[in-house]
Amino acid sequence: EVQLVESGGGLVQPGGSLTLSCAASGFVFTSFEMNWVRQAPGKGLEWLAYIGSSNTVIKYADSVKGRFTISRDVAKNSLVLQMKSLRVEDTAVYYCARRRGYGSGGPTDFWGLGTLVTVSS
Amino acid sequence: DIQMTQSPSTLSASVGDTVIITCRASQSVSPWLAWYQQKPGKAPAVLIYKASTLESGVPSRFSGSGSGREFTLTITNLQPDDFATYYCQQYYGDSRAFGQGTRVEI
Repeated sequence: EVQLVESGGGLVQPGGSLTLSCAASGFVFTSFEMNWVRQAPGKGLEWLAYIGSSNTVIKYADSVKGRFTISRDVAKNSLVLQMKSLRVEDTAVYYCARRRGYGSGGPTDFWGLGTLVTVSS
Repeated sequence: DIQMTQSPSTLSASVGDTVIITCRASQSVSPWLAWYQQKPGKAPAVLIYKASTLESGVPSRFSGSGSGREFTLTITNLQPDDFATYYCQQYYGDSRAFGQGTRVEI
């Protein structure tokens, strides 16, 4: 069974840093593109970043470029999102999500339950 | 980056209705367009991928169509369980942008 479990959320002051992790199981972690997506309270989904299956391709949304870093810890089967210079508007539920390959149609087919990040003084 | 625009933002409907949601991309994204359903407090779930392919286990009252820059999600015979928020997402370019969502309400 595919499982994605996020952790690391919490309360942080503006300008602070936080690292989120997503423990993956039930599939070959290195064979899939992995994404971070967030949802501010009462708002829509915002894609943040992805890391390709080979780790050679990494892309960010303009809203987080230069502040957030996505990485993959293969030994721990874990996806990581390092966040710095956090702003009040970064307050959201952060989801880890797996995207199927283009040969399988390519949608984002599994999501974690999310972890809440609150940026406030 | 590719921008996605959904319309309408809110849609009022009744059980048994047919509803149509539109998603427009700032450039062609064919065929890499997916539709998701999200219920309050839950993660999204994929309904349609590659513009018109129904995800396994999704009821056939959901269908997708379109190409190029314009796509639609159609829900026929709307059921009580379908009242939710729907998002489109493109996965053509370097981003994976979502539309802003369409809330289907009673």
